[in-house]
Amino acid sequence: AQKVTQAQTEISVVEKEDVTLDCVYETRDTTYYLFWYKQPPSGELVFLIRRNSFDEQNEISGRYSWNFQKSTSSFNFTITASQVVDSAVYFCALSERGASGTYKYIFGTGTRLKVLA
Amino acid sequence: GAGVSQTPSNKVTEKGKYVELRCDPISGHTALYWYRQSLGQGPEFLIYFQGTGAADDSGLPNDRFFAVRPEGSVSTLKIQRTERGDSAVYLCASSLTRGSNEQFFGPGTRLTVL
Repeated sequence: AQKVTQAQTEISVVEKEDVTLDCVYETRDTTYYLFWYKQPPSGELVFLIRRNSFDEQNEISGRYSWNFQKSTSSFNFTITASQVVDSAVYFCALSERGASGTYKYIFGTGTRLKVLA
Repeated sequence: GAGVSQTPSNKVTEKGKYVELRCDPISGHTALYWYRQSLGQGPEFLIYFQGTGAADDSGLPNDRFFAVRPEGSVSTLKIQRTERGDSAVYLCASSLTRGSNEQFFGPGTRLTVL
């Protein structure tokens, strides 16, 4: 079963629209970490945010905001007033302690966001 | 440059050949990860180093894949008897301590096996 599900394969919006990227995760651990990464056309993944499982406070950073809800195992990402430069593939990731006792990342399949001028 | 670097950026090889991919992590980062990313997919975990030792190699697909990090800094991913299915972008990432921290990714090596 998918541990990190990003059901939206591709989203297209017109510039200045708001857009929400969904992420649903699955874990049995009580301590885990959630992340969002951006992968622009250049290819290099860029870290956006990290959340630990004990901190359900929503976070806002400029035009970006994140909604973490443990009750629904979701960690959604909203871009307000989208811009063409936001066009990229966005990955949600879960870090949990694996069978070996070490933490490792599990990535979703990504959501490709296209912002049209 | 303070980021993670990977060489080569592109590697084309023939089926059956041996390849080595190199990763230079951010100085001071003790944790180093290798991932493989196929087209349209998220990065797939291969192996994790904490210092010089492989703390978790459960993601290596088979014994043709091997990685080392002899001095706890630079790492080399080695693939023997390459197959066409090995074609992908191989990503390296490093983090300050362990996998609960944010990871900083390199630009990747695009491997094409003909």
